[in-house]
Amino acid sequence: GQQLNQSPQSMFIQEGEDVSMNCTSSSIFNTWLWYKQDPGEGPVLLIALYKAGELTSNGRLTAQFGITRKDSFLNISASIPSDVGIYFCAGQLRTGNQFYFGTGTSLTVIP
Amino acid sequence: GAVVSQHPSWVICKSGTSVKIECRSLDFQATTMFWYRQFPKQSLMLMATSNEGSKATYEQGVEKDKFLINHASLTLSTLTVTSAHPEDSSFYICSAKPGQTLPGAYSPLHFGNGTRLTVT
Repeated sequence: GQQLNQSPQSMFIQEGEDVSMNCTSSSIFNTWLWYKQDPGEGPVLLIALYKAGELTSNGRLTAQFGITRKDSFLNISASIPSDVGIYFCAGQLRTGNQFYFGTGTSLTVIP
Repeated sequence: GAVVSQHPSWVICKSGTSVKIECRSLDFQATTMFWYRQFPKQSLMLMATSNEGSKATYEQGVEKDKFLINHASLTLSTLTVTSAHPEDSSFYICSAKPGQTLPGAYSPLHFGNGTRLTVT
């Protein structure tokens, strides 16, 4: 499978702070997806990106599809306690149908 | 919309038995479904791509005879873990991708809630 490196691995932040995380790969992707997973549950889609350079927002979340097509970024503004969870990026290769997941970023928000 | 239902949500079985997990797309048709496996505190690892009406495509290192996949309809894919062993204990998650009906339209992956398999 493909290797998608996600950083940082974990974050501990104060409520109200902004958060940034990214996902990089050596391969070119034509779709980037960002998910949040709570313990014992399946991932929930946050944002989908389909075009290089695309910048998309969903409430306090903003994600960007990197120009090189090898990376993507997710920002969370004004974090709140319910943002706690594990965030995953997922990419679909330019050649193929499969989606591969990043290594995940664990977010802890301190009230 | 785009709801994926996975059943059962958890199962405990004895070593050597087989377990079937169902994945259904409730409000859309999915020509392609994906099966992932997740160990504690790790990422989702793609096991196989399930294609409606044809054989599944397995990722390197995944035993196709152990993890049988059947995608008999546009809304149902099943994963059967055959002759399960304790090392097969894991969280199995399916996902489905709505079929593209419009030129240039894209669709993301939607996930079920996962199945926690424990083999004793």
